[in-house]
Parts: sequence; structure tokens; C-alpha cells
Amino acid sequence: NAGVMQNPRHLVRRRGQEARLRCSPMKGHSHVYWYRQLPEEGLKFMVYLQKENIIDESGMPKERFSAEFPKEGPSILRIQQVVRGDSAAYFCASSPARRVGTDTQYFGPGTRLTVL
Amino acid sequence: AQSVTQPDIHITVSEGASLELRCNYSYGATPYLFWYVQSPGQGLQLLLKYFSGDTLVQGIKGFEAEFKRSQSSFNLRKPSVHWSDAAEYFCAVGASNFGNEKLTFGTGTRLTIIP
Repeated sequence: NAGVMQNPRHLVRRRGQEARLRCSPMKGHSHVYWYRQLPEEGLKFMVYLQKENIIDESGMPKERFSAEFPKEGPSILRIQQVVRGDSAAYFCASSPARRVGTDTQYFGPGTRLTVL
Repeated sequence: AQSVTQPDIHITVSEGASLELRCNYSYGATPYLFWYVQSPGQGLQLLLKYFSGDTLVQGIKGFEAEFKRSQSSFNLRKPSVHWSDAAEYFCAVGASNFGNEKLTFGTGTRLTIIP
């Protein structure tokens, strides 16, 4: 059973460009979470999605950031008009179900975004 | 809102010595608690978790953690560390109610092992 997959692993963008980060959850998992890790800091929650639904986006910046998890295909975190402050590692996690006490989150290897 | 404090930013121990990493949480109800480990440039691997029941939980790689409600703590321990244990360790708390499934992480403790 393959783990959570993220691609690309490394992404370099110039200021003003768009960044698209992809996450394929573990097989059988229908819940996806995105976290951001700034240098020398812990992970900060950004958004929680189920298929075709955003459940909690309380950690998403109000502008330039969006996320989706379509019926088919991976979850996408999209950052428009990137700025240097967006440079970070972005981690995706997945869990099997929305059952309290059993929905352990399993993390992918992350995408390291560098904005020049 | 929940929060996690890891008071030790960096800990250095000798190989073979015992280890304890501290974690204190703040949450109004019964928390779900996790320890993850992150090697340089890698993702997070789950070491162990506490949901309910026995307050001493065993994890992978010889780690264990004890939930102490009275102290709001969930410290991670290992009796004898190996050089391969050098990594960053994160404590996290999850909510026990629907609608708040996100994890809140501490800032991490970096573990260095010396020969």
C-alpha cells in the first residue's frame, strides 16, 4: 500500500508566478489535510478537504491560496502570484475516515517551495 | 483552541543514554495526542498516538510516551538512543470533536546524538 504521494518534491518559482502542489492520498483515504512548515518552525494547519468539499479552511491565507480535492485525481494546493514569504515546505496528510479517534493522519514527503 | 508547547528546542544526548522529550498541551476536553519524527528533508513519520485507555503508549523504534492529564503532558521517552534517532520530533494534539480535525503542532525538538 503506497503512502501519501506529493509532487513535485522541489519547486522553484519566481515572484509573481503560480505554484501548483499535488497530493495523492493513501489508497482508501478520502480525507486530505494541507500543512505549511516555515523554516525552523512546526507545521501549521492550512486546510482540510474531502472529495469535492472543503471542510475547514481556517488556516488558509485569505488571498492567493486555494485548494481542491476533485472527485477524480489528486488534491491540489494552488498559490497564485507567489512571494518570497511563501517559501516553505508544504505537507499533505491523509486519513481514512471522519471518525473521531481513528482518523490518524499520515503524511507525505512534502513539497519544498522556493520563491526567487 | 488547542495548543502545544515543546519547551526544549534542541537536546543533545550520548548514544546509549536515555531520552525524554517534553510536551505540554492545552485543550479543554480529552485530547488526542501524537508524536511524529522528521528526518532532515523528509516528511513526518508517526511514532505513537494516544486516544484513550492505557496512559502509557508504546510506539515504533522503541519509543514510548505517557499521558498525564493532571500535568497536561505527553512526554516521549526512550531508554537507550541510537545514532539513527537524530531527527526533529514534533508533538501534536488533535481535537476529539467533529469539525475540528486539524492537528496543532509544537515547534519541535531537535535531537542530536553524540558518540
